[in-house]
Amino acid sequence: GENVEQHPSTLSVQEGDSAVIKCTYSDSASNYFPWYKQELGKGPQLIIDIRSNVGEKKDQRIAVTLNKTAKHFSLHITETQPEDSAVYFCAATESYSGGGADGLTFGKGTHLIIQP
Amino acid sequence: NAGVTQTPKFQVLKTGQSMTLQCAQDMNHEYMSWYRQDPGMGLRLIHYSVGAGITDQGEVPNGYNVSRSTTEDFPLRLLSAAPSQTSVYFCASSYAVPGQGAYEQYFGPGTRLTVT
Repeated sequence: GENVEQHPSTLSVQEGDSAVIKCTYSDSASNYFPWYKQELGKGPQLIIDIRSNVGEKKDQRIAVTLNKTAKHFSLHITETQPEDSAVYFCAATESYSGGGADGLTFGKGTHLIIQP
Repeated sequence: NAGVTQTPKFQVLKTGQSMTLQCAQDMNHEYMSWYRQDPGMGLRLIHYSVGAGITDQGEVPNGYNVSRSTTEDFPLRLLSAAPSQTSVYFCASSYAVPGQGAYEQYFGPGTRLTVT
């Protein structure tokens, strides 16, 4: 089965700086890679995703890059703000395997701390 | 839309007791899942459903039962609670984004369960 490794487990950056979280996956059949943000006491929320036919995707201050050959993908947050403080999870799956109900394998999470 | 709702928010059980965690969604999503979240372990899939009347096991199904009699509801039953089931439980629903080869998964706010 799929195995997703996520690094670092904790990341502390100064407000306004950039943050990068990296994930690697093991199953070359995986082709859908979502990222989730979890705030304290809440459920994870989808913030951005990328498919394997795309190398990069941006949405305002966040971007995700994918290197299929190396089997790794990364989340980039620029101009970090205090509200970016949260736990971030990456995930991987071969899409359309149960609509995501059964196929998502999650990384163990990165606690992002934005220092004022 | 209320999205994905879960009850209760908190629960304390004694070893051997049984209980049902409730999950409902009002988005008419076909797919639903139950995850548990433990410190340092990320999210692990317990059971999932790809439609009413259809359920299957995830990564960590032992000690849990599910059923899906309607599209909206997906309860999780703990048959005989054990301290190892102390965790935060998240229910999620998802749908396949047409033509995208991707899907969006929405999580509920979670149930924090302690088994003594």
